[in-house]
Amino acid sequence: DGGITQSPKYLFRKEGQNVTLSCEQNLNHDAMYWYRQDPGQGLRLIYYSQIVNDFQKGDIAEGYSVSREKKESFPLTVTSAQKNPTAFYLCASSYGGTSYEQYFGPGTRLTVT
Amino acid sequence: AQSVTQPDIHITVSEGASLELRCNYSYGATPYLFWYVQSPGQGLQLLLKYFSGDTLVQGIKGFEAEFKRSQSSFNLRKPSVHWSDAAEYFCAAVSGNTPLVFGKGTRLSVIA
Repeated sequence: DGGITQSPKYLFRKEGQNVTLSCEQNLNHDAMYWYRQDPGQGLRLIYYSQIVNDFQKGDIAEGYSVSREKKESFPLTVTSAQKNPTAFYLCASSYGGTSYEQYFGPGTRLTVT
Repeated sequence: AQSVTQPDIHITVSEGASLELRCNYSYGATPYLFWYVQSPGQGLQLLLKYFSGDTLVQGIKGFEAEFKRSQSSFNLRKPSVHWSDAAEYFCAAVSGNTPLVFGKGTRLSVIA
């Protein structure tokens, strides 16, 4: 069954700790994306990657880092420099680049206290 | 700057009534256009997309959308709403080699 998996569904961390969110896809998609969602703010792009070993900053990259060592995987690290990390994080992928429709994972809700 | 606007933050409709959710875009050239739906705590699901051709596009779950170039709009419609349609709806657009731009969403409530 093809799709995008994000784990875990819920994640809790103490302030000052880095945390890595997992995103895996078996759709053979070239491009992958990370979004942050806060109530009333829609989706805001954090990072995206169109090919392996390359990625670009989105609108709100500060305090986040990513890697793309494999086509299937695009993990997001929320660092201690991110001032308000508590949010719902969505991973997506698209075939053939950014001009195509994106398919989304189920999301990870991160709570930092 | 490229942008997508959904003028309605929250809409309430009665079950069985018709629905129209508004979306306007601001792009230099006609972008590709999409509608997504999100249930609480879930990811987004693609409802339909417009690339070119017929300006009335059909999607899943009985939804359709009409592209109107003269109004820079891509409104989503459904003739008869079901309680299960209650969710948040996002319009999105893309042009060139840049990522999708999403509107801020419209939350749909359905009452009996």
